[in-house]
Amino acid sequence: GAVVSQHPSWVICKSGTSVKIECRSLDFQATTMFWYRQFPKQSLMLMATSNEGSKATYEQGVEKDKFLINHASLTLSTLTVTSAHPEDSSFYICSARDQGASNQPQHFGDGTRLSIL
Amino acid sequence: GQQLNQSPQSMFIQEGEDVSMNCTSSSIFNTWLWYKQDPGEGPVLLIALYKAGELTSNGRLTAQFGITRKDSFLNISASIPSDVGIYFCAGQLGLSGTASKLTFGTGTRLQVTL
Repeated sequence: GAVVSQHPSWVICKSGTSVKIECRSLDFQATTMFWYRQFPKQSLMLMATSNEGSKATYEQGVEKDKFLINHASLTLSTLTVTSAHPEDSSFYICSARDQGASNQPQHFGDGTRLSIL
Repeated sequence: GQQLNQSPQSMFIQEGEDVSMNCTSSSIFNTWLWYKQDPGEGPVLLIALYKAGELTSNGRLTAQFGITRKDSFLNISASIPSDVGIYFCAGQLGLSGTASKLTFGTGTRLQVTL
C-alpha cells in the first residue's frame, strides 16, 4: 500500500538553528503534499500545501519565510523551519496522495518531533 | 484555521463495549475520513466515505457520511485494548490539488479498561 516516509523522526536543536524535514512518497508519485503541525493534546492543523514544481500555498497565519517548502520532485517535499525558536517546538506531519489512483485518500508520515532548546 | 467539532472529547469504556463518536461541521464536505493516531505517530486511515448517506464498515468499525454532508459518525463494536488512541475525523472538499487538503476534527481520546 501507499507509504509516506518522514525524516528525521526526532530533532533537538538550539534556538536560532534552521531545521529541514523531508517527506517522501515511497511507492507512488504525488504532485501535492501537505504539511501539518500538531501541538500536544491538540488536533492537526494544516500549515501549507506543497505543489511540485511551483510555490507552496500557505494557510492564513503561517509565515512563508519562516517555514520554507520545496517540492522539487514527484516523491519529495521538504519543510525547513528557519531560525527556529522554542515556540516552533511541535510535531510536524506530512501527507500525500497517490495521484495515479482514483479515490485514494491521503496517507500520513510518522511525523517529526521538533524540540527547540 | 477551521476545525470540525468532535464529540465526545474523551471516553473511558470497558473492553467489549461498543463506542460511538461523531463529527460535525458548519460547512459541507464531499469526502469524510476517519483516522486513528497513536502517541508519537502519524494518523492511520480507518475508513473513507465518498458519498452522502454512505455507510461503510472495516472490521469492527462502521462509519457513515451524513446526508447533509455536514456530519459523520464512527462506531466501534466490541472494543479491545488496542483500540486505545485518539480518533480524528477529517473533511475534504476535492480529490486533487489544494481542494484535497484535510480539515481535522478536534479528536476523541478513547481509553479502554479491562
